[in-house]
Amino acid sequence: GENVEQHPSTLSVQEGDSAVIKCTYSDSASNYFPWYKQELGKRPQLIIDIRSNVGEKKDQRIAVTLNKTAKHFSLHITETQPEDSAVYFCAATVGGSQGNLIFGKGTKLSVKP
Amino acid sequence: GAGVSQSPRYKVAKRGQDVALRCDPISGHVSLFWYQQALGQGPEFLTYFQNEAQLDKSGLPSDRFFAERPEGSVSTLKIQRTQQEDSAVYLCASSLERPGGGELFFGEGSRLTVL
Repeated sequence: GENVEQHPSTLSVQEGDSAVIKCTYSDSASNYFPWYKQELGKRPQLIIDIRSNVGEKKDQRIAVTLNKTAKHFSLHITETQPEDSAVYFCAATVGGSQGNLIFGKGTKLSVKP
Repeated sequence: GAGVSQSPRYKVAKRGQDVALRCDPISGHVSLFWYQQALGQGPEFLTYFQNEAQLDKSGLPSDRFFAERPEGSVSTLKIQRTQQEDSAVYLCASSLERPGGGELFFGEGSRLTVL
């Protein structure tokens, strides 16, 4: 079945620096790759997603890149702010568009002021 | 309400008790998912419904876990004869479309503690 690996598990950066989180997946049929942000004690919330027909997507300070050949995708956060501190999860669909969504184990990002 | 609603928010059960967790998805959402999230871990897939049909239950850890969505709206996750390892937050999520079609909206979760 699908396996989604995420790293690093923890990441600490200074305010204003960039942060990069990487994920790999195993199912070549996966075609949808969302990223979720979960603050302590809160529900996961979608921050950005990308589909397999696109290589890169950007939304203000957040960008996601996808390499289908290598089966990996990355989240890039620029000009980090303390409020970016949270746990970030990547995910990938299983078996194409009919499958469920499998999550990585998460990256705890700490942005130090 | 406009979001996914889960109840109870907190449940403490003695080992061996049965529990039922309820999820009210966003009205009109076709897909409904249940995930189990242990402390410090990512959400682990349990099961998925498209309307009332349970299309995938491969993530249910044992036959003590059962989920239903009889009318394609509200869903219930039932855990029989609870064990300590069942302690976790159970997240429900719904989506307007099938997986891969768009955003999953999560509820606040039901935190289960088995003593």
